[in-house]
Amino acid sequence: DSGVTQTPKHLITATGQRVTLRCSPRSGDLSVYWYQQSLDQGLQFLIQYYNGEERAKGNILERFSAQQFPDLHSELNLSSLELGDSALYFCASGGQNSPLHFGNGTRLTVT
Amino acid sequence: GENVEQHPSTLSVQEGDSAVIKCTYSDSASNYFPWYKQELGKRPQLIIDIRSNVGEKKDQRIAVTLNKTAKHFSLHITETQPEDSAVYFCAAPNYGGSQGNLIFGKGTKLSVKP
Repeated sequence: DSGVTQTPKHLITATGQRVTLRCSPRSGDLSVYWYQQSLDQGLQFLIQYYNGEERAKGNILERFSAQQFPDLHSELNLSSLELGDSALYFCASGGQNSPLHFGNGTRLTVT
Repeated sequence: GENVEQHPSTLSVQEGDSAVIKCTYSDSASNYFPWYKQELGKRPQLIIDIRSNVGEKKDQRIAVTLNKTAKHFSLHITETQPEDSAVYFCAAPNYGGSQGNLIFGKGTKLSVKP
């Protein structure tokens, strides 16, 4: 167990809908990172938060947004969903001097 | 930002043989290079990492080598076993030396045949 908790494990929704993915980092970690992994694809960095503030942005679509709350949990909001958004979404946490540890992911299926 | 290239994309070996996966990176300021193993449907798990102040690091059957001049690093797995079958990802930090915010290679699917 990595200590990073993601919910839900699975999500099935229709095109055009909006969903929220949730992540709780490991105890003591201030940073949260979101990654997208499409079928047979690598891990694409979406966005990083550090202690409530956005720290870095990757290939995140404008339809996607995220935030980190005072208790350090983070939410990734995906709106106007398209079939191509179907993927595994991973959250990871890590401190300044510790490696990234990934949660078990949320599998999103858009039908 | 950082760019990471990983080769080969697939690798098939016989049990007991060695496997080598290579990665190159573009940002000479990068100083931390982890390797992750991902089994089907599961989360990526860190298996070994290396910092730029050393050239090699070993952990039992796994080793990583780093050539900063050439900007490449490699994963070596000796005496492979069927349970080593998985997808392996290399990574390097984006925006220079920061350890977080990793950019990943596209992965190598390793198959170990009994």
